[in-house]
Amino acid sequence: KAGVTQTPRYLIKTRGQQVTLSCSPISGHRSVSWYQQTPGQGLQFLFEYFSETQRNKGNFPGRFSGRQFSNSRSEMNVSTLELGDSALYLCASSLGGENEKLFFGSGTQLSVL
Amino acid sequence: DAKTTQPTSMDCAEGRAANLPCNHSTISGNEYVYWYRQIHSQGPQYIIHGLKNNETNEMASLIITEDRKSSTLILPHATLRDTAVYYCIVRGITTSGTYKYIFGTGTRLKVLA
Repeated sequence: KAGVTQTPRYLIKTRGQQVTLSCSPISGHRSVSWYQQTPGQGLQFLFEYFSETQRNKGNFPGRFSGRQFSNSRSEMNVSTLELGDSALYLCASSLGGENEKLFFGSGTQLSVL
Repeated sequence: DAKTTQPTSMDCAEGRAANLPCNHSTISGNEYVYWYRQIHSQGPQYIIHGLKNNETNEMASLIITEDRKSSTLILPHATLRDTAVYYCIVRGITTSGTYKYIFGTGTRLKVLA
């Protein structure tokens, strides 16, 4: 079974631009969650989608948004990029139930210049 | 949300057991304890999880105290490939009935030859 796939692996943008990151979950998984990882803040939860609906959200500004498609693939968008948005963005998929484990992708390393 | 506290770093000799502690004194009765590890530049990898009973799988053992305020992850025979950051996480249910992971800052385990 293929794992969680995130594209692109690396991305360089400049301040003020916007960016879209993609995540393809493991086949059959309906939940996709996104995390931001920085050296200073560690792993922080962004949001989770389940069956195309956002069912949980972390404490990030509205510039961070996401969506999920009918095939469970998910995209994350960051608008008006700031230098502080430079981070590793990780996507994880799961079946979405109470006792489920997350399967993470390798992440997208975003650098904002 | 329940928070976790872990030592920043630990060393362990190759072949010996690695015991990684975690404090989660504010855990609620229905919140699970999960352990993940992250090897440099990869996404976190699931290790084990439990609610109140001790658990064991092919990778590790999880010991949860009777009051559930702390737990210990045990890698029985650490190898150099176990060098990673280990995250102890409490997975809880939000007030809206959805699930959320709270990642701590993790313990950087270094296995020494």
